[in-house]
Amino acid sequence: TQLLEQSPQFLSIQEGENLTVYCNSSSVFSSLQWYRQEPGEGPVLLVTVVTGGEVKKLKRLTFQFGDARKDSSLHITAAQPGDTGLYLCAGVPGSNYKLTFGKGTLLTVNP
Amino acid sequence: SQTIHQWPATLVQPVGSPLSLECTVEGTSNPNLYWYRQAAGRGLQLLFYSVGIGQISSEVPQNLSASRPQDRQFILSSKKLLLSDSGFYLCAWSVIPRGPTLRVSGELFFGEGSRLTVL
Repeated sequence: TQLLEQSPQFLSIQEGENLTVYCNSSSVFSSLQWYRQEPGEGPVLLVTVVTGGEVKKLKRLTFQFGDARKDSSLHITAAQPGDTGLYLCAGVPGSNYKLTFGKGTLLTVNP
Repeated sequence: SQTIHQWPATLVQPVGSPLSLECTVEGTSNPNLYWYRQAAGRGLQLLFYSVGIGQISSEVPQNLSASRPQDRQFILSSKKLLLSDSGFYLCAWSVIPRGPTLRVSGELFFGEGSRLTVL
């Protein structure tokens, strides 16, 4: 069973559109991270959220951690082709510091 | 600043041949080290992690092994590769929590990846 479910799996949109991707679980996480990975490269950490209800903004990206710390969302405003990539969420269940990854959302932003 | 490098970047090996992927971290001491495998550009599967020299934990029974001969060096090996070993291998490091009040966020910093094709 997948501890972290990401949706949608694939998303193809036009430049300038807004989008939201989701990361859901039935388990509580002490923290959640979002990574972006470009083809042939390692994932790069975008943000970490640790407090239930927390909202963090990174330019056009808005990250939210659910109140119960079981889910998270990533909203991108006015998407650009440079946002194209695989977005992975990862969480630390309980006090274990080994990350569990979702399968990712593959985003394509067309010019 | 901390850096992580892994090599080789690309490897094509015949079935039954040995494997050695190497990863080194600079700019930090006593990190947690990890080997992940990623199939078909999607989710990451944790293969091994290490909290110190000579300390290796295996997450998935398989044809691979890992070693940590030095504090900032992590090696992934196989004596005889299988077709199913093909994939994108990623090394990563994280900070070991110190002290009871330190929040453990588990952030990982990845290397560039090694693409292994077994023929």
